[in-house]
Parts: sequence; structure tokens; C-alpha cells
Amino acid sequence: AQSVTQLGSHVSVSEGALVLLRCNYSSSVPPYLFWYVQYPNQGLQLLLKYTTGATLVKGINGFEAEFKKSETSFHLTKPSAHMSDAAEYFCAVSVRLGNSKLTFGKGITLSVRP
Amino acid sequence: EAQVTQNPRYLITVTGKKLTVTCSQNMNHEYMSWYRQDPGLGLRQIYYSMNVEVTDKGDVPEGYKVSRKEKRNFPLILESPSPNQTSLYFCASSFTRLAGHNEQFFGPGTRLTVL
Repeated sequence: AQSVTQLGSHVSVSEGALVLLRCNYSSSVPPYLFWYVQYPNQGLQLLLKYTTGATLVKGINGFEAEFKKSETSFHLTKPSAHMSDAAEYFCAVSVRLGNSKLTFGKGITLSVRP
Repeated sequence: EAQVTQNPRYLITVTGKKLTVTCSQNMNHEYMSWYRQDPGLGLRQIYYSMNVEVTDKGDVPEGYKVSRKEKRNFPLILESPSPNQTSLYFCASSFTRLAGHNEQFFGPGTRLTVL
């Protein structure tokens, strides 16, 4: 069975500062890893995903994440935060076999200070 | 526009009164799923469907039913709602059931309150 750990529930950064949201996973088989974003009163939308190949993945809105197998991590970063990045961010894991279930972390709320 | 729609978006009901939340997708996706989102718990899968007439339990299926009679629709049924089913519900769909790496497309959510 797979699982995701997102430590902490809230991160606050200043506009223009680096955004770093941490995600660690557990999986007995090679995982597929995702970051989803949820803006207020909206559904989730895909930011980026890692399946195979290049371990540094670029997504929408300037976000990127690096898959590190040795650390079982998939941290999300953005060099310079914008006010519009304020949202809840979910890391999720899936595997090739099974029912395509996404196992989500608990989510992290990102606040951006002016 | 490719989308997943849910209705209603908001619902307040009382304990024991049967309700249905509809979900429809226009992308011809095989795979559909229901999740509930609760503070501090993230999203948890309730039920999923790999194709028409094929459904199975997720992590938290108790108190819920689903059906998949048509490819585009996947309603969530609460036969006798209880207050612990107060939550935010999301329907999602994906192109194929076989590839876990496919993006799942989410509906806008249904906020349910059971008094």
C-alpha cells in the first residue's frame, strides 16, 4: 500500500520568496507522484506529475518538483511566490497496478504575504 | 468544454433523508471516482468505477452507494445520511483505468451538511 506524508498544515511566505512544500511517500512499487492545487471554493487541478524519466518535473505557474528515490521525496518548489499562489496543495501517489487510486497527503495551505 | 460537473454544489439535509449527488463527465473517461475531503485528513476515496457496471469500494465506503449505468454518469447515493457524512465531496474522472499515471480531472465539489 502507498502513503504520503506532508508535514505541517500551513506555510506562509512573503511575495517574491522561495516556496518549498515538502512531500514524502511510501510505496512498495515504483510510484507515480502528483501535486494538485486547490484554490478557494474550487476543485483540484493538476500542477505537475512524475511518472518515469526525468526526475525534475516542471509544471504550471512556475512550479517544479524533483523526484528523489533515495529520499522518497517529491518536494514542490517555486523560486518566487506570487499572491495568486495562495491555495491548498496536495501531494498524491499512485502506482501502475491496481485501481488507479490516488492516495493523497493531508494537504498544506500556502499563504503569501504582501 | 471538457469538464466534470456535480450537482448540487451545496446541500443541507437532515439525518436519514436519502439523497443523491450527481456526477457527469463529457470526456468519455472510463474511470470515475468519489472522494471526500475533511480538514486535516486530505482526500479519501469512497468508491470508484473502472467502467460501466463495474464499481468497487475505496477506503471509506460505509454509508454510501454508487452506480455506473452509463459511462458519463456516476451518482453518489446516501441512503440514510448521518452527521458524520458532513463533508466536501469530489467526483473525479480519468481516461483509463489501467494507467495510474493519468491525470484525474475533478469536479467543483459538493458541500454537504447533515443536521
